[in-house]
Amino acid sequence: NAGVTQTPKFQVLKTGQSMTLQCAQDMNHEYMSWYRQDPGMGLRLIHYSVGAGITDQGEVPNGYNVSRSTTEDFPLRLLSAAPSQTSVYFCASSPYRQATEAFFGQGTRLTVV
Amino acid sequence: AQSVTQPDIHITVSEGASLELRCNYSYGATPYLFWYVQSPGQGLQLLLKYFSGDTLVQGIKGFEAEFKRSQSSFNLRKPSVHWSDAAEYFCAVGAGTGGFKTIFGAGTRLFVKA
Repeated sequence: NAGVTQTPKFQVLKTGQSMTLQCAQDMNHEYMSWYRQDPGMGLRLIHYSVGAGITDQGEVPNGYNVSRSTTEDFPLRLLSAAPSQTSVYFCASSPYRQATEAFFGQGTRLTVV
Repeated sequence: AQSVTQPDIHITVSEGASLELRCNYSYGATPYLFWYVQSPGQGLQLLLKYFSGDTLVQGIKGFEAEFKRSQSSFNLRKPSVHWSDAAEYFCAVGAGTGGFKTIFGAGTRLFVKA
């Protein structure tokens, strides 16, 4: 019953450092997405993927890269972290083209100093 | 473009009182609608969802929501609030074929006073 697993749960970065937030799901869902959550702004879509090898930008993609080499994994890369990227990041997955809810990971709290 | 509006940033209710959280959406086709709850420091939990059929849907923890197409609304209700209901509540719409892309409102934080 793993569902959607995000690692790490907490991370502190210095400005300019790079890192990858990991997301894995074991439900064979085609659709995966990354959100960032900031106070008063809800969850905003960063990038999403509808299957291996297919990614697209969401609402706030700048400063983030993604790739999807397998159905299970959808990592989010910060190439040069900025304080504005301090946020809580959520990964989600769901079947594609089927009416169902999204399944969320527990989140990664990232602080950039 | 699809969007979700939650007009109330925060709401305070007394324990035992009734609750209604407002949600309005903008979406051209038949919407897939959701309410999620997030307790402090936690992830998101689905409360209920509407895809089609009966416009009054029941969810977990005693919550219900009513879909009103004429008002583009999907308000969340609970007849008697418990202190453990204090959390942030997000309304969301599923966009795209089958509603796979979830778009969230800004959230409403619920405070419960004794």
